[in-house]
Formats: sequence, structure tokens, C-alpha cells
Amino acid sequence: DAGITQSPRHKVTETGTPVTLRCHQTENHRYMYWYRQDPGHGLRLIHYSYGVKDTDKGEVSDGYSVSRSKTEDFLLTLESATSSQTSVYFCAISESDGAAEQYFGPGTRLTVT
Amino acid sequence: GENVEQHPSTLSVQEGDSAVIKCTYSDSASNYFPWYKQELGKGPQLIIDIRSNVGEKKDQRIAVTLNKTAKHFSLHITETQPEDSAVYFCAGRGSNYKLTFGKGTLLTVNP
Repeated sequence: DAGITQSPRHKVTETGTPVTLRCHQTENHRYMYWYRQDPGHGLRLIHYSYGVKDTDKGEVSDGYSVSRSKTEDFLLTLESATSSQTSVYFCAISESDGAAEQYFGPGTRLTVT
Repeated sequence: GENVEQHPSTLSVQEGDSAVIKCTYSDSASNYFPWYKQELGKGPQLIIDIRSNVGEKKDQRIAVTLNKTAKHFSLHITETQPEDSAVYFCAGRGSNYKLTFGKGTLLTVNP
């Protein structure tokens, strides 16, 4: 398995609180992605990074921000969590943009009450 | 952007039978189509992929076919086993260079 870890694996938080999810990789891959997975929607791209300090928006970026200060770490922040952000969040990595294989982490289950 | 439709949403087969999952895509510039298997409580795992310059690819009991003219691709699993039970996702890499995923197919293989 690709060396990807996500933390925390489970989190319950209240509406309006800030939340940060962490993705850590040991593969030295350039590209990192954050997806959310919801029933009936499959996987949807939130944000991605194509290098240190280089990030861009995905399909469902509203309410989320990201940061990448080191190659190995990609952080996803919910500035003020809402119940609609209850989901399972997956981080993925790849060597190149899109055409190369993407490897997924184990996921973080976030519940916003 | 790319739109990927996946059918069926659920599929139940008897052990030893074949399973076929179909996907269509909208972006004619799409050139890379991976398939992922997701077991309960785990992240998606790439099981096979195909690029637009190839019509078919096989890996043991798994095969993927691509019809660029019709803009559809399919996953074929032969001699299914209970451990094949999982959710399967197709995806397409569109002209924005990002993967767009189908909504998934829950495959159940009955012993």
C-alpha cells in the first residue's frame, strides 16, 4: 500500500467550530488531493495541490481551505463546520496530474452535529 | 467539465458468474479511465486502468474495455468470488486533467 496516513480517522464536532484534517505521505509524490464521499455522489474533488504552496480548487471547494507547506503534508480546513460537511474525507496522491495512478488514504469520517 | 455515469448502482451475482459494470463519459478529450474497488471502511484501491489508445486490457479475472466512439467503458469480472464483493467506482480524466468519478456500484457475490 502507498504510504498515506490520515488523521484523525474519526471526528465528531459541533456546527460552527473549525476543523483541520491532515494527510501525510511518505512517497514523495508531487500531487495531493482531497475528496469527499457521500452516498449517491461518489467521490468529489474538494481541492488539490501540485506542489508545495501550490493549490487549486476542485468541484466542491466552498467552505474548505487547504495548505501545503511541505511535500509530505496536505491539510484540509473547515473554517466553520456545517452539518452539510458531514462526510468521509479521502486524501489521494499521484506522481503526475490525472493520468497517473491515484492512491488513496484510509479516510476520515467527520460528523458535524 | 467531465460527467461520468455508472450503471448499475447495485449488482448481485452468484459465485462463479461474471459481473459487468458500465460507465459512460461526456468529455471527448478524456484519455484515462481507472477503476477502483472500495471495501467497507477502507479507501478506494486502483484495480485496473485503461488509456484512450487501447481498446481492452486484462489482468487475470478482470478486464476493461473502452469504446471511444460511443464514449463508454466497462469493467468485466469473470469467475466471481465472495472476496470480489465491494463497491466499484469508474472514473474519467477529462480535459481539466482531473478525475471525475461515477457514483459507484455495490457488487455482492453470493456463495
